[in-house]
Parts: sequence; C-alpha cells; structure tokens
Amino acid sequence: EAAVTQSPRNKVTVTGGNVTLSCRQTNSHNYMYWYRQDTGHGLRLIHYSYGAGNLQIGDVPDGYKATRTTQEDFFLLLELASPSQTSLYFCASRRQNYAEQFFGPGTRLTVL
Amino acid sequence: GEQVEQLPSILRVQEGSSASINCSYEDSASNYFPWYKQEPGENPKLIIDIRSNMERKQIQELIVLLDKKAKRFSLHITDTQPGDSAMYFCAARGGTNTNKVVFGTGTRLQVLP
Repeated sequence: EAAVTQSPRNKVTVTGGNVTLSCRQTNSHNYMYWYRQDTGHGLRLIHYSYGAGNLQIGDVPDGYKATRTTQEDFFLLLELASPSQTSLYFCASRRQNYAEQFFGPGTRLTVL
Repeated sequence: GEQVEQLPSILRVQEGSSASINCSYEDSASNYFPWYKQEPGENPKLIIDIRSNMERKQIQELIVLLDKKAKRFSLHITDTQPGDSAMYFCAARGGTNTNKVVFGTGTRLQVLP
C-alpha cells in the first residue's frame, strides 16, 4: 500500500500565526492533494499538484498557499492563520492513470 | 464545477440488516464514482468504485449502483457488522477535470448490536 506521511500530527497556533503543514509520499506518485475535513462539509480540496513545481487551485483555496518542492514533498502554508482554518487536514497522493487516492494520517490544526 | 450531495448524514441500523447511502451529482459528464470508508481516528480508504460504463458492482457485502440518467449512485452494505461502523464518503470525478474528485458530505453509519 502507498505510504503517505504528514507532519506535524497536531498543531496549535494563534490567530495571525504562520503555519506550514508537510506531506511526503514515497511511492513516486505524480498527483498530490491537500484536503480539509469539517463536520457537515466532508472533504474539500484546497490545492493539488501533478508534479514538482506544479500547483493547481482546488475548491476552497482562500487563505492557503501550497508548494510542491519535489516529487515526494507537498507543503500547505497558512501565512495568517484564522480560527476558520481550524480543521483536520489530509494529504493524499495518486499515481497517474490510476484513480485511487491514498491518504495520509491527517494533521489536526487548531487556531486560537 | 461538480457538486455531490450525500444522504443521510447519520444512519443507524441493526447488526445483520442492510444499510444504504445515496448520492447525487450534477455534471452529466462525470465518469468515476469512488466510495471511501473512514474509521474513527483514521484516514479515508477506498472500498469500492464504479465507472460510468457500469450500472452495478459488487465486492463481497458491498454493492454500488449507478443511475446515470438520474445522476444518482448508491452504496449498499448487506449483512452489516460492527466493523462496518464508520464514516462513508461518496465522490464523483467530473468530465472536464479528471484530475480531482468532489466528495460528498459524509454518512456516519452506526451498526447497533
């Protein structure tokens, strides 16, 4: 099974704080995704990428930046965190021409 | 873009009975419909999927039905067991952007002993 790791697993910050969430996959998957999960909203796509240096805007991108530095690493950046960004964040990866997404363990972010 | 509606949000069934979750989508060009299961404290995992060239697919106790005309698809779990208790998400991949899926809002299934 594909291996996707995320760090940190838990993060608490204050309003206006700067946060970086990290995701790494070691299966040479082309596609990587950042989602947030909130009760009543399911999983919503923030940003995604199909390779190093590429970035595609998702469905709820406001307040988030992302960067794909290598095939393995995808980062989500919150430069001015707000309480509305308190959520459970999942990273996922997918191999080109295959549909299944493999999710990481999640990062719980709390913005006070 | 594609939007997916999922109902019910909470489903309680007796052990051994069947459970059904229904989803609808808007983009008639959508061609791929996966279902993910998320156990408490865990990440979502793909359990079954169906493509638009099929109307029915079964993997053991899981049955997925797709009605393209009505733009609806559903997951049926027969003979539910306590291990089926989890959050379930449907999703649809639109026809114009095949690089992403849109998820439904989730159904929390509780199998009661």
